[in-house]
Amino acid sequence: DAGVIQSPRHEVTEMGQEVTLRCKPISGHNSLFWYRQTMMRGLELLIYFNNNVPIDDSGMPEDRFSAKMPNASFSTLKIQPSEPRDSAVYFCASSLTGSNEKLFFGSGTQLSVL
Amino acid sequence: GIQVEQSPPDLILQEGANSTLRCNFSDSVNNLQWFHQNPWGQLINLFYIPSGTKQNGRLSATTVATERYSLLYISSSQTTDSGVYFCAPRVEGSNYKLTFGKGTLLTVNP
Repeated sequence: DAGVIQSPRHEVTEMGQEVTLRCKPISGHNSLFWYRQTMMRGLELLIYFNNNVPIDDSGMPEDRFSAKMPNASFSTLKIQPSEPRDSAVYFCASSLTGSNEKLFFGSGTQLSVL
Repeated sequence: GIQVEQSPPDLILQEGANSTLRCNFSDSVNNLQWFHQNPWGQLINLFYIPSGTKQNGRLSATTVATERYSLLYISSSQTTDSGVYFCAPRVEGSNYKLTFGKGTLLTVNP
């Protein structure tokens, strides 16, 4: 099992540019989460998908952020336009809804917006 | 929302020492997980433990849901145990949202 795969590992961009982060969940998992980690706010849930459907996007900071899950094996988080305050580590995680719902994280994307 | 308090915030140990990390939470929960974030930033799931006790090698965890706390025990600590340990409970009534505590930063010195 390859685990949750995220790309890129690092992204450096300039303010105003579009940023797209990618995630491949563990095969068979039906729940996918995007988290953001900062020193100030810790780990925050941005959006939750179940069976490819967005269930809770209340954590998405503003309209500049959007996320999609076109199929069970792929999700994207897009920031357009990016701002310096978006600099953070973005994690994707997946789990299988059911009796043992352990959450597994990808390695994260370190985003720096200059 | 649910309040999650982890203690201590920081802990420094010598290799070989034992430690206990605590997680208090304010509401009834139906899920609780412990994670280790290593110095390279990777988040590793240690335990899924909504209640009871589990052991995995030198680590064990206990959750007393009725008293709203969970404990993580690390025995014979090693330098590779260094990192941040997060507790993440899920409030009853939710079927997906884990709330992460601020973590305990553990440093194990050789």
